[in-house]
Amino acid sequence: EAQVTQNPRYLITVTGKKLTVTCSQNMNHEYMSWYRQDPGLGLRQIYYSMNVEVTDKGDVPEGYKVSRKEKRNFPLILESPSPNQTSLYFCASFPRGIANTEAFFGQGTRLTVV
Amino acid sequence: GNSVTQMEGPVTLSEEAFLTINCTYTATGYPSLFWYVQYPGEGLQLLLKATKADDKGSNKGFEATYRKETTSFHLEKGSVQVSDSAVYFCALSDPSASKIIFGSGTRLSIRP
Repeated sequence: EAQVTQNPRYLITVTGKKLTVTCSQNMNHEYMSWYRQDPGLGLRQIYYSMNVEVTDKGDVPEGYKVSRKEKRNFPLILESPSPNQTSLYFCASFPRGIANTEAFFGQGTRLTVV
Repeated sequence: GNSVTQMEGPVTLSEEAFLTINCTYTATGYPSLFWYVQYPGEGLQLLLKATKADDKGSNKGFEATYRKETTSFHLEKGSVQVSDSAVYFCALSDPSASKIIFGSGTRLSIRP
């Protein structure tokens, strides 16, 4: 089954404790992206990757890192989480870039930083 | 820059009512337009799309027409069901910036 898998689904952590949210897709998509969803703000892009070893900042990259060592995986790293990073996070992948194609989303990771 | 504006929610309707969720956009060039739906506890999934002016996207009884003259892509359904309760996002593709731009989402609740 074609899917994007994120882990964990739920995470509560403390300020400053490094964490990684994993994202994996089994569709051989080149383009992957991370979003955060906050009430009234829709989805905002954090980082994206157009291919292996190619990553770039989105609209709200501060406090986040990513890596793309393999095509299927695109982990999101919070080196020193802060309470303003409490949010719902989604990973998405796209076939053939983004122009006219649909995004495939993971089920989301709800992160709470206390 | 490119942007998407959609009507604020929540929207509450009775079953079998007619639905319209308004969406307007600002864009340079000719973006593709999308509606995504997010059911409770799930990620977003594509509902329908249109890639050029006057195209009509349709799926599961929902429709939206790409109107370049009014820069709109309103979502409609003739008779909603309880199972349509979800959050709906209008979006456009911006290839020059390598991203999809989403509206803020509209929560729809359908009463039996």
